[in-house]
Amino acid sequence: AQSVSQHNHHVILSEAASLELGCNYSYGGTVNLFWYVQYPGQHLQLLLKYFSGDPLVKGIKGFEAEFIKSKFSFNLRKPSVQWSDTAEYFCAVNGGNDMRFGAGTRLTVKP
Amino acid sequence: NAGVTQTPKFQVLKTGQSMTLQCAQDMNHEYMSWYRQDPGMGLRLIHYSVGAGITDQGEVPNGYNVSRSTTEDFPLRLLSAAPSQTSVYFCASSYKRGQWAPLHFGNGTRLTVT
Repeated sequence: AQSVSQHNHHVILSEAASLELGCNYSYGGTVNLFWYVQYPGQHLQLLLKYFSGDPLVKGIKGFEAEFIKSKFSFNLRKPSVQWSDTAEYFCAVNGGNDMRFGAGTRLTVKP
Repeated sequence: NAGVTQTPKFQVLKTGQSMTLQCAQDMNHEYMSWYRQDPGMGLRLIHYSVGAGITDQGEVPNGYNVSRSTTEDFPLRLLSAAPSQTSVYFCASSYKRGQWAPLHFGNGTRLTVT
């Protein structure tokens, strides 16, 4: 069955620290991969997406993600986080028609 | 540019009551869907629609009904609310159902069933 795993439930970082959030998926066919962000009290917004081509994709606000097909992974990175990055981050996979989401990782950035 | 609009933002129901969560989009999207968000479980698909008059079940459809009479509107009905339906509900749309279509989300409805 199709599934998405996010390894970290809650990550706490200080400003300027580097960020990497893990995402692994289980699906046998071709997939498209997404990261969404949900700021406190707001709806989910698309951060970045991977469809094909260069496995390193860049999104908004300095975020990037790397697709490693052999590892079924799509980890999210940011070299230097800011307090305003405090939010919940969801990895999502679409292997057919419908989007399947991971459980989310809550990121808290301390000023 | 409204995007996806959900009402109400908050709702408290007693067990057994019914209610309808409203969702409207102004982007002429074919695909609309309802998700529920629960702590530690991410978002799970309840129902979806690929166009007016066409709906189908998602991952967790029990206890919920939907209809799609117009392209713009996709209401979610709880016929007899249960405490297990306490959750945050998101409506989402995209131009088409498919792998390549990112979702546009509404602001959510926080529902508490006592």
